[in-house]
Order: sequence, then C-alpha cells, then structure tokens
Amino acid sequence: RKEVEQDPGPFNVPEGATVAFNCTYSNSASQSFFWYRQDCRKEPKLLMSVYSSGNEDGRFTAQLNRASQYISLLIRDSKLSDSATYLCVVTVYGNKLVFGAGTILRVKS
Amino acid sequence: DAGVTQSPTHLIKTRGQQVTLRCSPKSGHDTVSWYQQALGQGPQFIFQYYEEEERQRGNFPDRFSGHQFPNYSSELNVNALLLGDSALYLCASSLVPDSSYNEQFFGPGTRLTVL
Repeated sequence: RKEVEQDPGPFNVPEGATVAFNCTYSNSASQSFFWYRQDCRKEPKLLMSVYSSGNEDGRFTAQLNRASQYISLLIRDSKLSDSATYLCVVTVYGNKLVFGAGTILRVKS
Repeated sequence: DAGVTQSPTHLIKTRGQQVTLRCSPKSGHDTVSWYQQALGQGPQFIFQYYEEEERQRGNFPDRFSGHQFPNYSSELNVNALLLGDSALYLCASSLVPDSSYNEQFFGPGTRLTVL
C-alpha cells in the first residue's frame, strides 16, 4: 500500500465549478500535512498547509481528519489558471516530504 | 533574493555512465533535500543533507550519493545509470532539518534522460 494515495483524475471541470480532491495516508504517526501545486514540467509549490481545524485561503479550503487519516482540498469558483496537478503531501519525521502521485485538474472555458 | 537554483536544466546520458547534479539553496537556508520524480508520479525522497552530513535517506540504492559543501550547496551523484533513472530530479531547501513545519522551497529541477 502506498503511503499517500490520491485519485489520479484527471478532473475535467468548467470554469466556475467547485471541485474536491481527496487523499488518504497510511502512517498514523504523520505529523504535518500539505497540498502542493505542480504546473506542467515545473517544480512543486506549496499551496497550503492543512490543519485539523480546517483552513481556508481565498477559494481554497483544506481539511484534515486524523481519525480517518484523510485529507481534502476544495476549490471553489475554478479558474482556468487552476489547471495543474495537485499533490497531497505528509511528513512523518523531520521534514522529509512524502508525496502522493498527484491529481490532475483541467479547468475548461 | 535568489531562490533555489539547479544545474544543469537537462541532461542526456547513456546506461552505465555517471552523472552529477548541482543545487544551490535559497539564501539563508542550510538544509538541502533531493527528490526523484518519475513521469506521472509524485516526487520521491532520496536523501537530505544538513551540516555537510546525510541526515535522512529514502529507499534508494547506494548508486545514489550526495555531498553538501560549507556554503550549503549540494551535489547528487548517480553511478551506473539505468534506464529507470530517467526522471526529474528536484532539490528542495529549508531551514532546520528536524522541523516538519518549515516550508521547503523547490528548485526548477534537472531533467535526466538515460538512453
């Protein structure tokens, strides 16, 4: 079983749609949780950290459920510029990042 | 303020050869981690350097080795290249290796093709 699992997609959505990504992790000792965004042939960039209390940054909302070992990302009012691969990431010890395979989002006009 | 830089951008090698990739961390950062990203996959942790020592290592064979210099820059060496080593190699820098909460900044990567 992979340490971090994501639905690979692709998710094809129209502009303005709301889209949700899910992620599960296998190690209950995981300490920190993140969503990274990766544009085609570019490096990953931190989108947001994820906390148990949930956190929001503009159109993006992230949620963590430690009991279920489940992380989610909700994007509201999708823009063309949101098209990218979204990577679910956890750390278990120190700052070694463990990535999921990524979920591809394509927003179409 | 320069971000993380990597060189070269692209590299083509043949099986059995050796390769060295280079990384300069973001200004003020002292910890460098290396990741391998195969096509269609998420990055996989190779190893991390801090104070010129390897602090953590992922599930990669000894063909993968590294070094960190006193100026915090780092090299990744891969010996006896295999076709399966073809990937994007990413370097990430951060402050303090033991904290999960310090953001890691990634360089643009080196795309290695092994023929």
